[in-house]
Amino acid sequence: GQQLNQSPQSMFIQEGEDVSMNCTSSSIFNTWLWYKQDPGEGPVLLIALYKAGELTSNGRLTAQFGITRKDSFLNISASIPSDVGIYFCAGQSTSGTYKYIFGTGTRLKVLA
Amino acid sequence: DADVTQTPRNRITKTGKRIMLECSQTKGHDRMYWYRQDPGLGLRLIYYSFDVKDINKGEISDGYSVSRQAQAKFSLSLESAIPNQTALYFCATSDSRRMNTEAFFGQGTRLTVV
Repeated sequence: GQQLNQSPQSMFIQEGEDVSMNCTSSSIFNTWLWYKQDPGEGPVLLIALYKAGELTSNGRLTAQFGITRKDSFLNISASIPSDVGIYFCAGQSTSGTYKYIFGTGTRLKVLA
Repeated sequence: DADVTQTPRNRITKTGKRIMLECSQTKGHDRMYWYRQDPGLGLRLIYYSFDVKDINKGEISDGYSVSRQAQAKFSLSLESAIPNQTALYFCATSDSRRMNTEAFFGQGTRLTVV
């Protein structure tokens, strides 16, 4: 099935560092979503992006909807231990079916 | 209370058994989805429903069936469970009345087939 290319797959960072991850697709999307999943829990929505070029922030998180509508990135500034988890991107297709396509996730580990 | 509730949270079942996973939502959303999560594969769509009695196959529907008898409830059944159906299962909802929509997830059901 169709999936987004999300990178990196995993990363270790020092507390206080900035983090960047991205997703790319061969398809155009109407909406880009970024989720965080803690162990044993369901994905929780962090940021939703609706227009090409849109840049949106949520606290220390910033995400952008790529101008080509085929990519998006998420930045986390000044990481803290509770940022640990798996981050997923998701795109909503333009085909009219309104299905969500998910990336394979970026596993973030923060070293105190 | 969670807006999207899945039951059970954990289940161990034997090969060949029939099992049902339940999902209920209080968000008033019309669209509901069932996803499966396996390590390294992200979330894959099993079935989705855009309204009561509307059922659509996702990318990995073989071995599964669903029922949408009410707007707030969407159940997933494994007719004859097999070990490779061991996974995390998530229900999600979205609202078609909004032009741009987000999916909201339940807390998941961890299913183990032995």
